[in-house]
Amino acid sequence: GENVEQHPSTLSVQEGDSAVIKCTYSDSASNYFPWYKQELGKGPQLIIDIRSNVGEKKDQRIAVTLNKTAKHFSLHITETQPEDSAVYFCAVKQFYFGTGTSLTVIP
Amino acid sequence: DTAVSQTPKYLVTQMGNDKSIKCEQNLGHDTMYWYKQDSKKFLKIMFSYNNKELIINETVPNRFSPKSPDKAHLNLHINSLELGDSAVYFCASSLPPGGLYGNTIYFGEGSWLTVV
Repeated sequence: GENVEQHPSTLSVQEGDSAVIKCTYSDSASNYFPWYKQELGKGPQLIIDIRSNVGEKKDQRIAVTLNKTAKHFSLHITETQPEDSAVYFCAVKQFYFGTGTSLTVIP
Repeated sequence: DTAVSQTPKYLVTQMGNDKSIKCEQNLGHDTMYWYKQDSKKFLKIMFSYNNKELIINETVPNRFSPKSPDKAHLNLHINSLELGDSAVYFCASSLPPGGLYGNTIYFGEGSWLTVV
């Protein structure tokens, strides 16, 4: 398998603030890094992904950065809204998931 | 239309019983998965099939046996259920892994298994 560490495990932010979640991985050959959002009672859904040939990708309020040398990648959510509250998972090599971050956005 | 559907959604059963969870996808994908999510929300891959062939088999007790009658279905059979098997089981599908980059995994809604 692949060892994927994710931090923090829980995160609370005020509405409008930014949230950052970080993942580290062990296999330097990994080249695909998706992020999934899991709402209560649902299965995870892809929100953004990045491939190893780019260092950053942005989609409206969500961005992902990748540092292949340091073997870590991060999810950035700006201008957070209450509906961003969910559990977020990073993944490596398509199917190895991180340990999850429970994000709460306080109105 | 539900892309990845799994049944039952909820299952309560006694220790020692044998149970099955069914999964079907209508996305035309060749690859299907079973994941287990425990009470701490850890999401761990159990099995993956590509075009009915087993390609991933993580460290899972042999009481768990996946069966893929065709590439649109991947069912999970669990024998001699134990208390520790209580979890949410997610079926998922995707285009095949490998190649230069990976592909999005589409998850079902989950099956809540409680062993009493």
